Amino acid sequence: EAQVTQNPRYLITVTGKKLTVTCSQNMNHEYMSWYRQDPGLGLRQIYYSMNVEVTDKGDVPEGYKVSRKEKRNFPLILESPSPNQTSLYFCASSSAQVNSPLHFGNGTRLTVT
Amino acid sequence: DAKTTQPNSMESNEEEPVHLPCNHSTISGTDYIHWYRQLPSQGPEYVIHGLTSNVNNRMASLAIAEDRKSSTLILHRATLRDAAVYYCIRLNAGNNRKLIWGLGTSLAVNP
Repeated sequence: EAQVTQNPRYLITVTGKKLTVTCSQNMNHEYMSWYRQDPGLGLRQIYYSMNVEVTDKGDVPEGYKVSRKEKRNFPLILESPSPNQTSLYFCASSSAQVNSPLHFGNGTRLTVT
Repeated sequence: DAKTTQPNSMESNEEEPVHLPCNHSTISGTDYIHWYRQLPSQGPEYVIHGLTSNVNNRMASLAIAEDRKSSTLILHRATLRDAAVYYCIRLNAGNNRKLIWGLGTSLAVNP
């Protein structure tokens, strides 16, 4: 089954403790992206990647890092999480064609205390 | 502003058609209109997209106004499973594939 898999689904952590949210897709997609979703603000793009070893900032990249060493994986790294990074995170992927639909994972709900 | 304008919420009855409006009065000639929906506790799901002509697929139809300043997503027969937040989004074909998301329309479907 074609899918985007995020782990974990839920995560509670404390300020300053480094964490990684994993994202993997099995559709051989070139494009991958991370979003955060907050009430009243909608989905905002954090980082995106057009292909392996090619990443770029989205609208809200501060406090986040990503890497794209393999085509299928696009982990989101929070080196020193803060409470304002408490949010619902989504990973998405699509093929290289401009209008290709984005396929989303089921989300990771992160709470930073 | 690149965001689109949609009603906050709409309501429909099961088995009836639903017309979800979207205003994108500042759209440029190369912008596509994409629709996604988000069911509770899930990630967004692609519904349909178009540029100028009306489009149909197995999920819905998309009617785009002649001046392209508005569009309407049509669900031909609403089911309870169609209850979701529907997002109308502009995509500039020359951009970095970034979709600029608004807050969408929350659709309730009554049995």
